[in-house]
Amino acid sequence: QTVVTQEPSLTVSPGGTVTLTCASSTGAVTSGYYPNWFQQKPGQAPRALIYSTSNKHSWTPARFSGSLLGGKAALTLSGVQPEDEAEYYCLLYYGGAQPWVFGGGTKLTVL
Amino acid sequence: QLQLQESGSGLVKPSQTLSLTCAVSGGSISSGGYSWSWIRQPPGKGLEWIGYIYHSGSTYYNPSLKSRVTISVDRSKNQFSLKLSSVTAADTAVYYCARVIVVVGRPYYFDYWGQGTLVTVSS
Repeated sequence: QTVVTQEPSLTVSPGGTVTLTCASSTGAVTSGYYPNWFQQKPGQAPRALIYSTSNKHSWTPARFSGSLLGGKAALTLSGVQPEDEAEYYCLLYYGGAQPWVFGGGTKLTVL
Repeated sequence: QLQLQESGSGLVKPSQTLSLTCAVSGGSISSGGYSWSWIRQPPGKGLEWIGYIYHSGSTYYNPSLKSRVTISVDRSKNQFSLKLSSVTAADTAVYYCARVIVVVGRPYYFDYWGQGTLVTVSS
């Protein structure tokens, strides 16, 4: 069974920069996995932030960016705001029998 | 702007079938280039992709749920549905519907999500 792994939790200071990563149990994550990133605040539905590694939705704040880093998908927040405190999920595409697998999520604390 | 709204029974008895509907407004479910997906989230846990249905009617399901899941589309009502049979307490979760952009026949990314609906499995 495919497992997608994210850091369980990270802490960042307001105004700082933080990078969240997303690893696959099958090996290096490439652009062919179409990495998606989502933000979820308590009691709310997930909100799409990044698709296909680094593309932003029209509503995605400029301080969010996506990339591939060291064989993983990465989400970088630059100039973190207090409202960025949330759970972040990555989603990878594998095709075949199980097309999509979510990571376990990273709880980002802004402190 | 596209909006999705889940509805259905909030309480289901063990061994029965969970049924949910996602109403789509602000766009046609029959338009090409999209598939329509269900995702769930048990209380306090992470997201799990359940499955989706393409514009063509083709369906793809999470292997762990495949034997119990059916996703269908009602184009006349501009909505799609989820049925999950033989439910247990482990199926208690918030269920979300979402749109998936399809490019050259491949699902590419998720964009719009519904607000979610909590389904509790309990006798």
